[in-house]
This record gives sequence, structure tokens and C-alpha cells, in this order.
Amino acid sequence: EVQVLESGGGLRQPGGSLRLSCEGFGFSFNSYAMSWVRQAPGKGLEWVSGISGNGDRTHYADSVKGRFTISRDKSKDKVYLQMNSLRGEDTAFYYCTRSPYTHAWYWFDHWGQGTLAIVSS
Amino acid sequence: QSVLSQPPSASGTPGQRVTISCSGSSSNIGSNSANWYQQLPGAAPKLLIYGNSQRPSGVRDRFSGSKSATSASLAITGLQPEDEADYYCAAWDDSRGGWVFGGGTKLTVL
Repeated sequence: EVQVLESGGGLRQPGGSLRLSCEGFGFSFNSYAMSWVRQAPGKGLEWVSGISGNGDRTHYADSVKGRFTISRDKSKDKVYLQMNSLRGEDTAFYYCTRSPYTHAWYWFDHWGQGTLAIVSS
Repeated sequence: QSVLSQPPSASGTPGQRVTISCSGSSSNIGSNSANWYQQLPGAAPKLLIYGNSQRPSGVRDRFSGSKSATSASLAITGLQPEDEADYYCAAWDDSRGGWVFGGGTKLTVL
């Protein structure tokens, strides 16, 4: 069974950093693109970032470009989201998603349960 | 303000047919496929429709999708109480080089 599991959420002050992790189970991790989608409490979905299966292409939403970095570790079947210069508007549940192919422009066929990042002083 | 436009709410009675619209532009729905996600209360989103009109395994055929030019629609027939959820459309946007979502439609089963 395909599963993705996020971890690393927590409370940080504005200007701080946080690293989210996502581990994949039940599939050949390095063959699939992975993305992060976030949802502020009570709000809608917002795509944050995506990375291709082999890690050679990354994509970012304008709202996080220059502050967030997506990467993947092929040996650990993990993808990471390094979040720097955090702002209050980054407070959200962060969902890790899988695309059915190697490129990040395909839909999200599997979602994790989400990890909550709170940015507050 | 979301790049894709959806009505904030929709409703219907059990057994009815409901449609939810999603309006985009030439750079997103106009040139890429529309996809739909269902988010039940307190749960993570789940893929409902991909490639404009394809259903993943396990999704009931009461759910269907269509696309015309720069707009897409989700139709739900034989509405059931368990369909009460938030529904989001999404598409890859060539101009932005990333995904865009609709603001979501809250479906209420009366």
C-alpha cells in the first residue's frame, strides 16, 4: 500500500527556520515526483513546492520562493522542505503528496495526513 | 484570491445531482488537465478526478468530471450524506510554473 508520512512540524518564531520531512512507503520512491501543499487553518489548499523524481527539477510558489527549499534523499526515500525566514502566514498544515509520474506537473494521487507548522511569537 | 474560481458553497438533497464549476485561464485549465480533490471534515484531501474526467480506483461512478476550454466541472449524481465535504479543483499553470488551486466549494447535503 502506498503511503506518505510527514514529520517535523512545530512552533517557531517569525524569522526562524523549520525542516519538514516526508517518507514514502510501498512504492519506488525515486521514480515519482513529490510536492508539498499547505492549508492554513480554516482556509483552502495552496501548493508550495514540487520536485521531480530524480531531483533535477524543483518548482516553488511565488509566496515561498527564496525562503523555502525542497530536496530529496534517494537513499532514505525522503523528501524535505527547508523553511527559512518564517512568517505568520506560513502557519498551516503541510501535506506531502505524490504524483503518479516523475514530473511534478502531474496530479497528486496520494496525500499524507499533514504536519502542522505554527509561526508565532 | 485564488487563481481558479469556484463557488464557495453548493447544496443539494439526497439523490439529487449537483455540479461544481471551476473557471481558469489559457495558462492553466486551458492548456493542462483539471483535477479535483475531496476533503472530508477533519481529513486530508483525496484525489477524486484526474486528467479532466478520469476516476482513480475506488472512486464511485457517481462522481464525474468534464472540461471545456478554460473551465471544468465536477458533477455528483445520487447525492449522499457522506458526500458532504470541501471540493477543490487544481491545474498546472504554465505561466507560473506551478500548481494553482480553486478556493474550494463546501458541499452541504440538506
